[in-house]
Amino acid sequence: QVTLKESGPALVKPTQTLTLTCTLSGLSLSTSEVRVKWIRQPPGKALEWLARVDWDGDTFYGPSLKTRLTISKDTSGNQVALTMTNMGPSDTAKYYCAAAVTNGMVYWGLGTLVTVSS
Amino acid sequence: NFMLTQPHSVSESPGKTVTISCTASDGSIASNYVQWYQQRPGCAPTTVIYEDNQRPSGVPDRFSGSIDGSSNSASLTISGLQTEDEADYYCQSYDSRIHVEVFGGGTKLTVL
Repeated sequence: QVTLKESGPALVKPTQTLTLTCTLSGLSLSTSEVRVKWIRQPPGKALEWLARVDWDGDTFYGPSLKTRLTISKDTSGNQVALTMTNMGPSDTAKYYCAAAVTNGMVYWGLGTLVTVSS
Repeated sequence: NFMLTQPHSVSESPGKTVTISCTASDGSIASNYVQWYQQRPGCAPTTVIYEDNQRPSGVPDRFSGSIDGSSNSASLTISGLQTEDEADYYCQSYDSRIHVEVFGGGTKLTVL
């Protein structure tokens, strides 16, 4: 059974850097064709794709936030991290990680709510 | 920029069939797989269709996905509507030119 769990601070101050971690179970980051992505959803709004890291280490970023994001993977710990710099109130959102596996199926975590406020 | 356009909302009665469209702004919708996600109120999204028309185990066969090259769109069809199907539905695909994944704006399905 594949599960993903997001973790990180619930509250960050403006201008701070956010670091979120996605821990995978039942799926290895070293497995071919595994791709892990971060998606966010501001309250009442649509899903927004942020970034992705592939099994081979390739990384990809959404164009609007590219300069603020870094995605990385720790294969031995089976975790994927996302850092976002210079947080602002508009970054308040539920942050989800999701994994696409070899057969194309996409698994989602339950998400973690991040509020940006002083 | 590559965009996926969905109707803002659709509604239908229990037992009926509804189709939600997802139209690509340019390129060919058939060039990359389309996924569909269901998001019930207050919950995380879950996958109901992947790779255009594949259904995960546990998803009822009332859910089906298709691609129409002539309209450059993907569709999610839900037959035998049930009240539990009431949710937001998002399509998602890939802009291979710039290696970016794209979501549609979401469609709110009301079963009334």
